[in-house]
Amino acid sequence: QSVLTQPPSASGTPGQTVTISCSGSSSNIAVNTANWYQQVPGTAPKLLIYGSNQRPSGVPGRFSGSRSGASASLVISGLQSEDEADYYCASWDDGLDAYVFGAGTKVVVL
Amino acid sequence: VQLLESGGGLVQPGGSLRLSCSASGFIFDNYAMNWVRQAPGKGLEWVSAITGSGTTTHHAASVKGRFTISRDNSRRKLYLQMNSLRAEDTAVYYCAKDSFSVPQFGVDHWGQGTLVTVSS
Repeated sequence: QSVLTQPPSASGTPGQTVTISCSGSSSNIAVNTANWYQQVPGTAPKLLIYGSNQRPSGVPGRFSGSRSGASASLVISGLQSEDEADYYCASWDDGLDAYVFGAGTKVVVL
Repeated sequence: VQLLESGGGLVQPGGSLRLSCSASGFIFDNYAMNWVRQAPGKGLEWVSAITGSGTTTHHAASVKGRFTISRDNSRRKLYLQMNSLRAEDTAVYYCAKDSFSVPQFGVDHWGQGTLVTVSS
């Protein structure tokens, strides 16, 4: 059972908007930043969003993040076929003294 | 930023293995470092973290007492000593750079990973 809760899957057609939620608690997302990672199967993860809503250079503008209380969200606007991947949220948990990941959300482009 | 892991392989249950990670492209001792693993077909699991100075370490409950993270800043290397290995430790192990000198801000760069298989 993951400390951070994500839906197991999400899908959309090209051009649509997909939102992935990440529910945490008062010991992680509520007090520490949330990060999001994209992982194409067979490759290493890649940082997509840091500090809950910041994009590293090189990440397309269609990816955006937000945080509200103990929850975070990743939005993919204008879904593209190359966005088909697994997406993980993560945050430091002060109670566990650990960096915790969600179980991951598989995004399928229909 | 480049992170290159080595040391993975096949080991019997109860055995030991030491993973290494060679870092380049950034000021190594300015940043905390992590090990994150991924079992076959499963999600990401954080294993261990160490501060930039090497004075403080953190380990997941699942590996506490069996795994030890360490670093040699003069050689720009990160290590993971794994003892009393179990079948459930089978995974790809990623070396991962943190975004600050302490691990509370999260991973921003990843290596390509090294596979550890625990089996008789």
